[in-house]
Amino acid sequence: GEKVEQHESTLSVREGDSAVINCTYTDTASSYFPWYKQEAGKSLHFVIDIRSNVDRKQSQRLIVLLDKKAKRFSLHITATQPEDSAIYFCAASPPSGTYQRFGTGTKLQVVP
Amino acid sequence: GGIITQTPKFLIGQEGQKLTLKCQQNFNHDTMYWYRQDSGKGLRLIYYSITENDLQKGDLSEGYDASREKKSSFSLTVTSAQKNEMAVFLCASSPQGTGTEVFFGKGTRLTVV
Repeated sequence: GEKVEQHESTLSVREGDSAVINCTYTDTASSYFPWYKQEAGKSLHFVIDIRSNVDRKQSQRLIVLLDKKAKRFSLHITATQPEDSAIYFCAASPPSGTYQRFGTGTKLQVVP
Repeated sequence: GGIITQTPKFLIGQEGQKLTLKCQQNFNHDTMYWYRQDSGKGLRLIYYSITENDLQKGDLSEGYDASREKKSSFSLTVTSAQKNEMAVFLCASSPQGTGTEVFFGKGTRLTVV
């Protein structure tokens, strides 16, 4: 079946450095790629997304890159802060947009 | 803004028992979802519904039933709880349309003894 794979299960960075989380997908028809954050003890909330008609999107310190040829997308968090520590999930959605298939999550730890 | 309310927050069941989890949303969203979250396995889609009385199977539907009797509510039934099963079930909703963010509830934590 179709899959979304998240390559880093854990990631530790120093405060102020950048963090990069990588995902790949198998469904060539996927056209929408959101990212979600789950803080300790809480549920997921949306942080940023990218659609297949662009290859880069930035929202403040978050940058998403999409390489459709490689079926790969990544989340870059610049100038990391302790409050960025959380589990980050990537997801991919088919053109119908009716559901999202999630990766396994990356636990990011920002060390002071 | 809106909210997704899941009940109960914690559910302890016995092996073989039929268990029902409930979810209500006041966003007026068309689409609702049930995901299962296991440590190390991410979120897996169990069922989703694009409108009242609609049901679509996800990747993990075996062993579960779902019901969408009203636009605002979506329930999930574990048909026969498996011993030592532990997971968090997340209800979510989104507006209808091509690719939009999904809003999540706080989850129901299931433990089967």
